[in-house]
Amino acid sequence: DAGVIQSPRHEVTEMGQEVTLRCKPISGHNSLFWYRQTMMRGLELLIYFNNNVPIDDSGMPEDRFSAKMPNASFSTLKIQPSEPRDSAVYFCASSSGTAHLPQHFGDGTRLSIL
Amino acid sequence: GIQVEQSPPDLILQEGANSTLRCNFSDSVNNLQWFHQNPWGQLINLFYIPSGTKQNGRLSATTVATERYSLLYISSSQTTDSGVYFCAVSPRAGGTSYGKLTFGQGTILTVHP
Repeated sequence: DAGVIQSPRHEVTEMGQEVTLRCKPISGHNSLFWYRQTMMRGLELLIYFNNNVPIDDSGMPEDRFSAKMPNASFSTLKIQPSEPRDSAVYFCASSSGTAHLPQHFGDGTRLSIL
Repeated sequence: GIQVEQSPPDLILQEGANSTLRCNFSDSVNNLQWFHQNPWGQLINLFYIPSGTKQNGRLSATTVATERYSLLYISSSQTTDSGVYFCAVSPRAGGTSYGKLTFGQGTILTVHP
């Protein structure tokens, strides 16, 4: 079975540019999560969706960040404009059903903002 | 929110040694997962274990939910076990925190040949 698929795996761009990260959850999973990993803050949840609806976006750092889930098989995380402090590894995860079931992570997108 | 503390922060072993990693959490949970982050940065699911004991090859885990801790055992360690081990929990309480995984800071394991 295919796992969570993220693209791109690596992204290097200049400050001020728009960045779009993509995620395809595991088929049949109805919860999707975006996490960010940095040296300073570790792994932290940015936003999560249930049945394509954003449930909690309290972890989104600021208005420059936005996330969408137009259908059950695709989500995007967008940063506009990007800043060097956004450099991090961004993970997408999905799970089936409610909160008590395990989350499965993609391989992450390593983002570098110059 | 829920607090997750892992110990030790760093661990250095010789190949073949056994080790125990600990995860303490501050509230009741309905999800607890152990992950291994390998040198390529991938987060590998090891166990989903909100309570009880599970084993998978050389690895096993035990969660004592009533006492709010979990242990990960690695036996006969190999160099490929090196990496960072994370514990992550989701609180049992409702509200918007329901379903959110909170990660500990991790244990960095280095296994020397």
